[in-house]
Amino acid sequence: AQRVTQPEKLLSVFKGAPVELKCNYSYSGSPELFWYVQYSRQRLQLLLRHISRESIKGFTADLNKGETSFHLKKPFAQEEDSAMYYCALVSGNTPLVFGKGTRLSVIA
Amino acid sequence: DTAVSQTPKYLVTQMGNDKSIKCEQNLGHDTMYWYKQDSKKFLKIMFSYNNKELIINETVPNRFSPKSPDKAHLNLHINSLELGDSAVYFCASSQRGANGYTFGSGTRLTVV
Repeated sequence: AQRVTQPEKLLSVFKGAPVELKCNYSYSGSPELFWYVQYSRQRLQLLLRHISRESIKGFTADLNKGETSFHLKKPFAQEEDSAMYYCALVSGNTPLVFGKGTRLSVIA
Repeated sequence: DTAVSQTPKYLVTQMGNDKSIKCEQNLGHDTMYWYKQDSKKFLKIMFSYNNKELIINETVPNRFSPKSPDKAHLNLHINSLELGDSAVYFCASSQRGANGYTFGSGTRLTVV
């Protein structure tokens, strides 16, 4: 069964500091990995997907199949990055499975 | 021109009532979903519908029933509401093979 683990419930960093939000997964089949962001009381928005290898809002994430990880990184955190971040996985026809989320708080 | 729209945004109701939440998508996607986000912000899949067929139903109480009149709509009916049903419910849609999901803005249900 697919599972997504985000070990940190809360991550606090100072503005300008590097950020790394951890995500590990277990799967059967060929998964696709995503990061979604939810700003306060707003809808979930797609931030990154591993197949596109984009950088959005300064965030990047590299899929490491050996470590089954998909950590989200940003070199310099901004106050507007404060939000809930969800790592998610989809494989085959199964719906998107989310991790429990990490709340990122960027302190001025 | 909202891609996935849910109504209502807020719903406050008493225990034992029956309520519905509507969801519509104008993206032409063939699959729609309902997710529940609880007070701890955990997101769990409840249902998914593909071409008007229920394809997955997680262990959700049968008080919850999805209804899809057509490919663009997936409504959620809840009977005999309980306090534990209080949560934010998100509708989403995707196109099979594309894997990107688009979410609605959520419906905050409060059962009192």
